[in-house]
Amino acid sequence: GDSVTQTEGQVTVSESKSLIINCTYSATSIGYPNLFWYVRYPGEGLQLLLKVITAGQKGSSRGFEATYNKEATSFHLQKASVQESDSAVYYCALIYQGGRALIFGTGTTVSVSP
Amino acid sequence: GPKVLQIPSHQIIDMGQMVTLNCDPVSNHLYFYWYKQILGQQMEFLVNFYNGKVMEKSKLFKDQFSVERPDGSYFTLKIQPTALEDSAVYFCASSSDGINTEVFFGKGTRLTVV
Repeated sequence: GDSVTQTEGQVTVSESKSLIINCTYSATSIGYPNLFWYVRYPGEGLQLLLKVITAGQKGSSRGFEATYNKEATSFHLQKASVQESDSAVYYCALIYQGGRALIFGTGTTVSVSP
Repeated sequence: GPKVLQIPSHQIIDMGQMVTLNCDPVSNHLYFYWYKQILGQQMEFLVNFYNGKVMEKSKLFKDQFSVERPDGSYFTLKIQPTALEDSAVYFCASSSDGINTEVFFGKGTRLTVV
């Protein structure tokens, strides 16, 4: 079935350094999925960070960017310079047109040290 | 922004007992969802609910599970009877117009079955 893979369970990065969180997805369903990054800040509920529904397009929010790469079936999340407030759990997710629910990766916990 | 509230945040219950998880979705949202996340695993879709009816459910939505939203009050997930493998964090979510509109999540209820 459809699935999302995040290879890093935990990432520690120093403030002002760059960050990349990897996300790949399986493409067993027909067509191209809508792709999402969700984030859970400490003590908060899961919230949408960005989404991209067209292959080849880039989404951005709060300094984060992710490009929908249909050839590589990837949707990596990047930020050039992280802050302590970016410490959170990041989830990659997808849904195909006509799908019933979001399919999530296992999440990546990002800890930004001062 | 819009918030989905889940009550309680943590519940401990004896195996075989009944438990009801409560969710107060975003007002004027019409679609409601439950997801289940076992520690260290992905968040997985359980069920979605619209217009007073279950629209779709996954294989994780066992016969012991039921959902309802009587008279526009809380959207509830009831498990009767509970089993040890039901221990997980349960996330409620809502959206205004189906899965292709933004989905808002609650902070989750951690259920521990002992």
